Amino acid sequence: QKEVEQNSGPLSVPEGAIASLNCTYSDRGSQSFFWYRQYSGKSPELIMFIYSNGDKEDGRFTAQLNKASQYVSLLIRDSQPSDSATYLCAVKGGGTASKLTFGTGTRLQVTL
Amino acid sequence: NAGVTQTPKFQVLKTGQSMTLQCAQDMNHNSMYWYRQDPGMGLRLIYYSASEGTTDKGEVPNGYNVSRLNKREFSLRLESAAPSQTSVYFCASSGRGSNQPQHFGDGTRLSIL
Repeated sequence: QKEVEQNSGPLSVPEGAIASLNCTYSDRGSQSFFWYRQYSGKSPELIMFIYSNGDKEDGRFTAQLNKASQYVSLLIRDSQPSDSATYLCAVKGGGTASKLTFGTGTRLQVTL
Repeated sequence: NAGVTQTPKFQVLKTGQSMTLQCAQDMNHNSMYWYRQDPGMGLRLIYYSASEGTTDKGEVPNGYNVSRLNKREFSLRLESAAPSQTSVYFCASSGRGSNQPQHFGDGTRLSIL
């Protein structure tokens, strides 16, 4: 079992719809959870992070965390063609080490 | 504000050649990381440095060495390049604290023939 799992996609949503991206993780001691966006040929850029159960909103983006189910998701409201990218879920495990484990990413396509 | 700067951006090597990838950050971050990214494999950690003076192996360290030259700089060396090391290499840095995100450089696209 992979430590951080994401559906590779592509996830196709029409412009203006809500895109829902999901991520599961195996380490119950995981502390912090990050969502990165990566455009083709570019480097990952941070969108949001969350470390408490529940929802965290930032503009059109909402991160949701359920530690009991070991599940984290990213919702993108009013999806735009510029949101088309690969979204990487990253998890910081328990302990003092600062390293992250990344999922393989979900490719999102927002269609006109 | 430059953030994380990687050099070179592109490089082509022949099998057996050596080279060093350079990374520098200007955010006064304690921790620095080297990843490789291959199609379908996601980002895989090669080595990291939690603080100046320390380095540790990540998921895929074989064939690589690193040097944390000072707080700003963290280099990755390929002693004898192999075609399997053809990849995109990213350097990242993060500040102190468990909730600090990692910030990435623009990457180095390395091809080994």
